[in-house]
Amino acid sequence: DAEITQSPRHKITETGRQVTLACHQTWNHNNMFWYRQDLGHGLRLIHYSYGVQDTNKGEVSDGYSVSRSNTEDLPLTLESAASSQTSVYFCASSEYAGTDGEAFFGQGTRLTVV
Amino acid sequence: GQQVMQIPQYQHVQEGEDFTTYCNSSTTLSNIQWYKQRPGGHPVFLIQLVKSGEVKKQKRLTFQFGEAKKNSSLHITATQTTDVGTYFCAGTSYNNNDMRFGAGTRLTVKP
Repeated sequence: DAEITQSPRHKITETGRQVTLACHQTWNHNNMFWYRQDLGHGLRLIHYSYGVQDTNKGEVSDGYSVSRSNTEDLPLTLESAASSQTSVYFCASSEYAGTDGEAFFGQGTRLTVV
Repeated sequence: GQQVMQIPQYQHVQEGEDFTTYCNSSTTLSNIQWYKQRPGGHPVFLIQLVKSGEVKKQKRLTFQFGEAKKNSSLHITATQTTDVGTYFCAGTSYNNNDMRFGAGTRLTVKP
């Protein structure tokens, strides 16, 4: 069955370190998204991609970067981790153009920056 | 920029009571989606609304999209313990090319 997987599921890192969270989907979806979830804020969009070599900034992109070298993967990099980036991170993918249609979410990565 | 507000933040009901969550956007939306997230889980798609004034039903769940396409609601009739979770709306504005989530409404149901 097609799926979307995130790794690691949990990570603890130190302030200032570079961290990369992996997201891999096997649906062959063009659209992929990264969100962070914090209490009281819901899900906030970090970056998104509508195809290979396409990346766009979301509403909370500062301190994060993504790259899309193939259809299946959209890794999220925290350039220099900060305590404010402690959060649960969700990756999602969808089939149709733009934001039309169902987005499938991964299981999430809980990141703690100490 | 586009903002999506959702109320209430929390709702505690007795099993069998009804529940409604409301979503309001600062801009006109091209579509709105609803997701449910169980405790400790990930968001799961429920439905998408596209047309002005659209109403869709899924068993005990009724979804509405306002005439002006700036607000939406989710109503659950006769809640059950399986309805427990956080319900999110997510709207796409005609001005932006991305989808913004509301803060969510956390529903708890007392048996």
